[in-house]
Amino acid sequence: QSVLTQPPSASGTPGLRVTISCSGSSSNIGSNTVKWYQQVPGTAPKLLIYYNDQRPLGLSDRFSGSKSGTSASLAISGLQSEDEADYFCAAWDDSLSAVVFGGGTKLTVL
Amino acid sequence: QVQLQQWGAGLLKPSETLSLTCAVYGGSLSGYYWSWIRQSPGKDLEWIGEISPIGGPRYNPSLKSRVTISVDTSKNQFSLKLTSATAADTAIYFCARGGYDTLYYFDYWGRGTLVTVSS
Repeated sequence: QSVLTQPPSASGTPGLRVTISCSGSSSNIGSNTVKWYQQVPGTAPKLLIYYNDQRPLGLSDRFSGSKSGTSASLAISGLQSEDEADYFCAAWDDSLSAVVFGGGTKLTVL
Repeated sequence: QVQLQQWGAGLLKPSETLSLTCAVYGGSLSGYYWSWIRQSPGKDLEWIGEISPIGGPRYNPSLKSRVTISVDTSKNQFSLKLTSATAADTAIYFCARGGYDTLYYFDYWGRGTLVTVSS
């Protein structure tokens, strides 16, 4: 059971927009910044979003992040087949004194 | 471009010590925090701990009694040791740049090392 809760799966058709949610508590998302990672099977996770809504240099602006209270969301617009991957949210947890992750959402592009 | 290259034993027997090393290329290890993260076969991610040349290590409390993370600035490397391994430690282990200094986002990752604990 992961500390951060994500839906196990999501899907969308090419060109459209999909959002992935991440739910936490006051000790993690509620008081710390959220990060999002993309992981293609067999590779290392790749940083997509940091500090809730910041994109690393060079990352497509099709990816955007937001946070409200103890929940966060990742939105992917203009869906492409290459976006098919697992997506993880993460945050520092003040109670656990550790980084905690969501269980991951497998995105399928139909 | 920073690159992380990691290596270590991939097969352990129960009770043995897991030992992995991560070398940093294309940049200095100094001035940054560096972390170890593992991913279970069920794909759950777990942060193991961090180290910095200027700060002491910090460990996930769930693993603290068995973990040691160290750094060798002369070789631009950092290492992970996990004692008393069990089957529950079977995972892909990643080294990554990031920790306290980045508010725990990880922007560069090693390729991962599959470690299997089995008798």
